[in-house]
Amino acid sequence: GQQLNQSPQSMFIQEGEDVSMNCTSSSIFNTWLWYKQDPGEGPVLLIALYKAGELTSNGRLTAQFGITRKDSFLNISASIPSDVGIYFCAGLLEGAQKLVFGQGTRLTINP
Amino acid sequence: NAGVMQNPRHLVRRRGQEARLRCSPMKGHSHVYWYRQLPEEGLKFMVYLQKENIIDESGMPKERFSAEFPKEGPSILRIQQVVRGDSAAYFCASSPSTGGIGSKNIQYFGAGTRLSVL
Repeated sequence: GQQLNQSPQSMFIQEGEDVSMNCTSSSIFNTWLWYKQDPGEGPVLLIALYKAGELTSNGRLTAQFGITRKDSFLNISASIPSDVGIYFCAGLLEGAQKLVFGQGTRLTINP
Repeated sequence: NAGVMQNPRHLVRRRGQEARLRCSPMKGHSHVYWYRQLPEEGLKFMVYLQKENIIDESGMPKERFSAEFPKEGPSILRIQQVVRGDSAAYFCASSPSTGGIGSKNIQYFGAGTRLSVL
């Protein structure tokens, strides 16, 4: 089935640093979503992208929908301790309703 | 406005028992999705339901798993004769509609049910 390749798998950074992660696929997606999951909780939506080339911000978070519709990236600027968690990209194929998830990026921040 | 409610949060079953997981969608949402997450992995789609209808069950194992979303009450994911490999976190999501091209089908997730099979 469809697969999203998310990288990096994990990141260890200092507080205040910027973070970048991305997802790629061999399939074309209609919608890209970025979620954050804290331990023991469900994914929480951070940013939704609907058009190729779209660049959207949510506070310190910025995400882009790739021009080819096969990739997306998420940037976090000036990281803070509460940014710790696992970040997932998820995509919707055109005409489909099931989300395809990446494997996740685990973010750890050293204070 | 309450979010997606799942219960129980934790469920322990012995091999061969049945597990029933419940999901109440957000108010105003009529579409429910179930996903499974193994440790250190992303979520995998299982089934998509609307009221009284299964729309897409392409991710459901062929045996022992079933799902329903009755006219009244929560959606239920049922696992019969559980095995150790069923141990995972099961997440429910809901959306207001699916719409057509360009519609914004955002799925909102519950906190999950963590199933442990002994």
